[in-house]
Amino acid sequence: SAVISQKPSRDICQRGTSLTIQCQVDSQVTMMFWYRQQPGQSLTLIATANQGSEATYESGFVIDKFPISRPNLTFSTLTVSNMSPEDSSIYLCSVEGKGGAGNEQFFGPGTRLTVL
Amino acid sequence: EDQVTQSPEALRLQEGESSSLNCSYTVSGLRGLFWYRQDPGKGPEFLFTLYSAGEEKEKERLKATLTKKESFLHITAPKPEDSATYLCAAASGGSYIPTFGRGTSLIVHP
Repeated sequence: SAVISQKPSRDICQRGTSLTIQCQVDSQVTMMFWYRQQPGQSLTLIATANQGSEATYESGFVIDKFPISRPNLTFSTLTVSNMSPEDSSIYLCSVEGKGGAGNEQFFGPGTRLTVL
Repeated sequence: EDQVTQSPEALRLQEGESSSLNCSYTVSGLRGLFWYRQDPGKGPEFLFTLYSAGEEKEKERLKATLTKKESFLHITAPKPEDSATYLCAAASGGSYIPTFGRGTSLIVHP
């Protein structure tokens, strides 16, 4: 399984500001995924990030609000722009497993964001 | 639309009291059914993948089973360290992205 780190682990931000979350993987991966986990809710996929191409966003998420960068095969960033209290959530990055075990995903530790 | 429903939402057990968590799924052509464990303040930790009805996987006190409509995570003689939220996810044949359930919060009292 891949080892995934995220920065920051948590942050408290003011309304209207932006926060960039970093995700680092210890091996090269084709696809990286960004999820949001709100209290009492299931994990919701925000977007899929492939190296060298534009991220693919899920319904309800737009690039202007959640711009993503994927400069190489081990790193990605997610920016939460013009934040409001409704953006308070845990943000997780993940990668697909290898070794023929199917589509299981391995997750980073998450970034807990609170917007005041 | 793919759907995954987990029950119960929360479960409290005494140490040693075995029980099962349920995951009902509706997907078009199941590609894989996944179980994860999530501790507070951490990302989900992968436990099992099940591919076809009748398949079973075991890890320590946990055993996952799969039918055509649901999966069970059986916990035998649980210990307090098994306390966590257990997430289920299903991937359909048409998408490599799994749909997650809301999870079951398990608390095991000593």
